Amino acid sequence: EVQLEESGGGLVKPGGSLRVSCAASGFTFSDYTMSWVRQAPGKGLEWVALITNNGNFKFYAQSVRGRFTISRDNAKTSLYLQMDNLRVEDSAVYYCARGEGILRVFNDYWGQGILVTVSS
Amino acid sequence: DIVLTQSPGTLSLSPGERASLSCRASLNINDNYLAWYQQKPGQAPRLLIYGASNRATGIPDRFSGSGSGTDFTLTISRLEPEDFALYYCQQYSSSPLTFGGGTKVDIK
Repeated sequence: EVQLEESGGGLVKPGGSLRVSCAASGFTFSDYTMSWVRQAPGKGLEWVALITNNGNFKFYAQSVRGRFTISRDNAKTSLYLQMDNLRVEDSAVYYCARGEGILRVFNDYWGQGILVTVSS
Repeated sequence: DIVLTQSPGTLSLSPGERASLSCRASLNINDNYLAWYQQKPGQAPRLLIYGASNRATGIPDRFSGSGSGTDFTLTISRLEPEDFALYYCQQYSSSPLTFGGGTKVDIK
């Protein structure tokens, strides 16, 4: 059974940093592109970043480029999102999702999400 | 960026009725790289349809997707009580990947 479990969320002040993690199991993690998708309270879904299976290619939404870094550790079957210089508008539930495809991916499995709140 | 516009914003229907949800793209979506997701309150999205018309694993056949180019439709042939939820379309044809604003299907 495919499982994705996010952790590391919480409350952080504007300008601060936070790293969220996603532990994957039930599939060969190193075979798949992985994504982060977020959802602000009461709002729709926003794609944030993706990383190819070997970590060679990374893509970001314009809204987070230069502030967020996606990475992965295939040996630990884990995905990460390092978030720096956080803004109030980054407050959201962050979902880790498995991608079907290489760069042009849809997400066939999702974690339950982790809440990140940016507030003074 | 490809902007996806979903309509209507809210669809009020009764169980057993047919639902048609629209997703219109600002640019052509190549190769029909369009997916549909269902989301219930407090839950993660669930993949329903990919490639515009392919049902994901375990999705009942009352869900179907159609369309090409810039106009796509998700149809639920007979609404079951568990189908009342939010639905999002997503294009994965070009970066950045983008989602529509969602259609809420609620009970009339």
